[in-house]
Amino acid sequence: DAKTTQPNSMESNEEEPVHLPCNHSTISGTDYIHWYRQLPSQGPEYVIHGLTSNVNNRMASLAIAEDRKSSTLILHRATLRDAAVYYCILRDWQNNDMRFGAGTRLTVKP
Amino acid sequence: DSGVTQTPKHLITATGQRVTLRCSPRSGDLSVYWYQQSLDQGLQFLIQYYNGEERAKGNILERFSAQQFPDLHSELNLSSLELGDSALYFCASSVAPLTGNTGELFFGEGSRLTVL
Repeated sequence: DAKTTQPNSMESNEEEPVHLPCNHSTISGTDYIHWYRQLPSQGPEYVIHGLTSNVNNRMASLAIAEDRKSSTLILHRATLRDAAVYYCILRDWQNNDMRFGAGTRLTVKP
Repeated sequence: DSGVTQTPKHLITATGQRVTLRCSPRSGDLSVYWYQQSLDQGLQFLIQYYNGEERAKGNILERFSAQQFPDLHSELNLSSLELGDSALYFCASSVAPLTGNTGELFFGEGSRLTVL
């Protein structure tokens, strides 16, 4: 699977939007972009995934660049509960497993 | 609550020993994944099973083995334990192996192994 690059850490204020970037310049046409997050003392949880088009769900939005070399996870209104490590993962459509990188540690300030 | 159950939650043992970690997937999920999370290595994929058969293998040591039983629960066996095996071990499940546009794994709360 192609490699992703994320900032080690980010800070945001409560009730403000958060944009978490992910660079994946070597992405291939068959790579899906997945986002998971890991809250303190818990297992990772699925956030969102997409291929080419922007995606929205109840948790977040995923904005994918036109050339697909980068993507942004958008939390529309950060809460204290959103403090977590956010992982951006590329998975080839034929691969069965999900391989995590280091992720971005998001701190939310009240 | 993800619906994935892992036991035990905590386990302390000595070097050279063998332990078994157990995972019950969500009801209806046929695929099980094992991950190891340590401070220096992050979250590492170990192995995946689907309906009793191994489907993908990651950075799993030869001292480690796993299987998925007919009732779909899975066990991860860790033997000849070393200090460096101390970590959180997560199990995840999905309805079917991840292919195409599927992307959701459901993780348990993990089993924390401490090797002294």
